[in-house]
Amino acid sequence: DAGVIQSPRHEVTEMGQEVTLRCKPISGHNSLFWYRQTMMRGLELLIYFNNNVPIDDSGMPEDRFSAKMPNASFSTLKIQPSEPRDSAVYFCASSPARTNYGYTFGSGTRLTVV
Amino acid sequence: AQSVSQHNHHVILSEAASLELGCNYSYGGTVNLFWYVQYPGQHLQLLLKYFSGDPLVKGIKGFEAEFIKSKFSFNLRKPSVQWSDTAEYFCAVYNTGGFKTIFGAGTRLFVKA
Repeated sequence: DAGVIQSPRHEVTEMGQEVTLRCKPISGHNSLFWYRQTMMRGLELLIYFNNNVPIDDSGMPEDRFSAKMPNASFSTLKIQPSEPRDSAVYFCASSPARTNYGYTFGSGTRLTVV
Repeated sequence: AQSVSQHNHHVILSEAASLELGCNYSYGGTVNLFWYVQYPGQHLQLLLKYFSGDPLVKGIKGFEAEFIKSKFSFNLRKPSVQWSDTAEYFCAVYNTGGFKTIFGAGTRLFVKA
C-alpha cells in the first residue's frame, strides 16, 4: 500500500497565479480530507468528501479556493488567484469510512506564494 | 462550539524523563479520541486511538493515553522519553454525531540528549 500520495511536494509560485494540489487517497477509503497547516493557525480542516461528494466545505477560506473529487482515487485543491497568505503546508488525508477510525495523512505539499 | 485544548505549546525534557501532555475537549456527546505525532518535516501519523472500552489505551513506541470522561480529558503519557520522540503531538476529537474531527493546536516536544 503506497499510502496517501500528494503532489507536488513543494510548490513555489508568484502571487496571482493558479495553483493546483493533487491527492490520491488509499484505495478503498471512502472519506478524503484537505487540511492546511500554518504556524499561526495550526491545522485547519478546509473541506472533506465522502464517497466523492463534498460534505462540509465551511473551512474553505475564500472563493479563491475550490476542491473537486471526480472519482474515488483522485482529488484536487485549487487556489486561483494565489496570495502570499496562502503559503502553508497542505495535507490530504483519507479514512476507510465516514466514522473516524483514524486518518492516514499524505506527506503534504509545501506551498510558497511570493 | 466543539473545541480541543492542548495545555502546553512547548515542552522540553531530558532523555529518560516522564512525559504527560494534556488534552481537553468541549463536546459532551459520544467521541472518538486520537493522538497524532508529526516528526520534523514529516506528515502526521496516528499514535493511538480510543473508541470505547478500557479507558487506558496503549499505542506505538511506548505511548499510552487515558480517557477520563468526567474531566473530558485524554492525556498522553510516556514513562521515559527518548531523543527520537522530539516531535509535535496533536490531540484530535471526532464527534460521532457531527462527523467532524477537530485537532488541537499541538504541543512541540523537544527531548535533550
